[in-house]
Amino acid sequence: SQQGEEDPQALSIQEGENATMNCSYKTSINNLQWYRQNSGRGLVHLILIRSNEREKHSGRLRVTLDTSKKSSSLLITASRAADTASYFCATDGKGAQKLVFGQGTRLTINP
Amino acid sequence: DAGITQSPRHKVTETGTPVTLRCHQTENHRYMYWYRQDPGHGLRLIHYSYGVKDTDKGEVSDGYSVSRSKTEDFLLTLESATSSQTSVYFCAISVAGAGNTGELFFGEGSRLTVL
Repeated sequence: SQQGEEDPQALSIQEGENATMNCSYKTSINNLQWYRQNSGRGLVHLILIRSNEREKHSGRLRVTLDTSKKSSSLLITASRAADTASYFCATDGKGAQKLVFGQGTRLTINP
Repeated sequence: DAGITQSPRHKVTETGTPVTLRCHQTENHRYMYWYRQDPGHGLRLIHYSYGVKDTDKGEVSDGYSVSRSKTEDFLLTLESATSSQTSVYFCAISVAGAGNTGELFFGEGSRLTVL
């Protein structure tokens, strides 16, 4: 089964609003990553947060990590039409050599 | 851009035929991966490699084999394609140093249809 599970599966908001996506996972991790996938394209890395970090920022992106709850959230502020994409979280288990991806959140930004 | 190319990008084949997908990288990274992406399942790891001739299974490896005879090429083979293997296949490389769970760079995908 998937290590990471995103919530919601789909999200539709108006341009300029903030979008929040959540990820829950099951086992201890070294780090958690978020990726974006535009339709018909490969995944693109957005941000990595380590297990000893609680919050990280990159431009309009803010990621939080709560290891006690085994959950993470991705916040996109002041959304733009170009943010329309699917967003995936990915986790590694302790000692793992691979990333396991969730099923993704499909984000639609309406103009 | 980590210099990843996948080929072919699109393929239609018949059930029972062999299919090989190629992933090529230009930067000599050690770790390479094959994932498949299906609606409702997200990305699932098929096989990965941590060096020449060093490979291991992922969560959905049945029906697939891989080979890595050179650092730059990671081949995914379906010995006898089935309709359940219709999917989009992504190759990825890791640019991590020690350990292996750093950022992944993905290719553009290979869309395979098995009739």
